[in-house]
Amino acid sequence: ETGVTQSPTHLIKTRGQQVTLRCSSQSGHNTVSWYQQALGQGPQFIFQYYREEENGRGNFPPRFSGLQFPNYSSELNVNALELDDSALYLCASGLATDTQYFGPGTRLTVL
Amino acid sequence: AQSVTQLGSHVSVSEGALVLLRCNYSSSVPPYLFWYVQYPNQGLQLLLKYTSAATLVKGINGFEAEFKKSETSFHLTKPSAHMSDAAEYFCAVSEKNDMRFGAGTRLTVKP
Repeated sequence: ETGVTQSPTHLIKTRGQQVTLRCSSQSGHNTVSWYQQALGQGPQFIFQYYREEENGRGNFPPRFSGLQFPNYSSELNVNALELDDSALYLCASGLATDTQYFGPGTRLTVL
Repeated sequence: AQSVTQLGSHVSVSEGALVLLRCNYSSSVPPYLFWYVQYPNQGLQLLLKYTSAATLVKGINGFEAEFKKSETSFHLTKPSAHMSDAAEYFCAVSEKNDMRFGAGTRLTVKP
């Protein structure tokens, strides 16, 4: 158990819709990162939030956005869903560049 | 930019045999290196991490990894494989605020 939880576990959306995924970080962690893991691949870094500000971004378009809240929770929002957005979305929390602790993920299917 | 390469997408060993999973990294600064394990339909669990304190790092479940700067490698080993070790293993490197993962190695353990 890492203390990082994610909701929902599974989600099915249709192309063009918008989705919000939620993460509750471990208490005391000041960073939260989001990753996309396509089937059979390693996780790809989407972005990181540090003290509620975006603190780095991977190669993902602006329709991927996020929020971090003072209560250690965070959100990943994806607009205008595409079929290729189907993946496992992982949230990880930690302290700066130290170890990141991952949640169980949300499986998103876009039809 | 930092990156990791995992050699071998699939490794199969017999129960009780040595496990060796290979990882080479590329980084412009002394890196933080990690090994994570992922069981089916689950998030990532930290096995061990290297943060320059010692070149031989011991992790959970009997795994260890050796940092070799001259070879830019961080291979994961376990002296004796157990059936419960069957999973996907990811090597990762972190420089600043994002973590870059390899494509993963699927370990199969034969009885």
